[in-house]
Amino acid sequence: EAGVVQSPRYKIIEKKQPVAFWCNPISGHNTLYWYLQNLGQGPELLIRYENEEAVDDSQLPKDRFSAERLKGVDSTLKIQPAELGDSAVYLCASSLDGMGADTQYFGPGTRLTVL
Amino acid sequence: AQSVTQLGSHVSVSEGALVLLRCNYSSSVPPYLFWYVQYPNQGLQLLLKYTTGATLVKGINGFEAEFKKSETSFHLTKPSAHMSDAAEYFCAVRGTGANSKLTFGKGITLSVRP
Repeated sequence: EAGVVQSPRYKIIEKKQPVAFWCNPISGHNTLYWYLQNLGQGPELLIRYENEEAVDDSQLPKDRFSAERLKGVDSTLKIQPAELGDSAVYLCASSLDGMGADTQYFGPGTRLTVL
Repeated sequence: AQSVTQLGSHVSVSEGALVLLRCNYSSSVPPYLFWYVQYPNQGLQLLLKYTTGATLVKGINGFEAEFKKSETSFHLTKPSAHMSDAAEYFCAVRGTGANSKLTFGKGITLSVRP
């Protein structure tokens, strides 16, 4: 069974440019998460989807970040414009139903460098 | 609000030695507890999780962890370290309702000396 797929794996951009990350979750998983992982830190939740609905986006900086999950499968996370402080690893995860001790499966992440 | 404390950022052990990675949590409700491992340039992989019932949880690769409610701890152990265990380890807690998001600690880097 294929795991969570993310692309690109690495991205280098200049500040003020836009950037987008793509995630394909495990087939059949209804819940999708985007996390931000800064160097030396644990992942922090940005947004959580139940099917097409964003049920927790309280930590998403909405002035520059946006996300969508059309048709409840793939998801895209966008930053516009990027700032130097956005340099980090962006992780996507998916789980069956997002309830209780439901296991989250993580993709390899996209490492973003903003120059 | 829930939180996880992983004291220290780096642990070094000799191959064959006991591995002990500490995790303490704070949660206002009975929590679900997780340990994840992250190898370089890879995503996080679940080692084990505590839900309910038996407080000693066995995971993959010979790791286990014990839930101690009185100490609010969920320390990870492995009797004999292997070179392939070198990685970063994250403890995480998840509650219910308003605390239902997965909250991670800062992680601990495990080095294994030959």
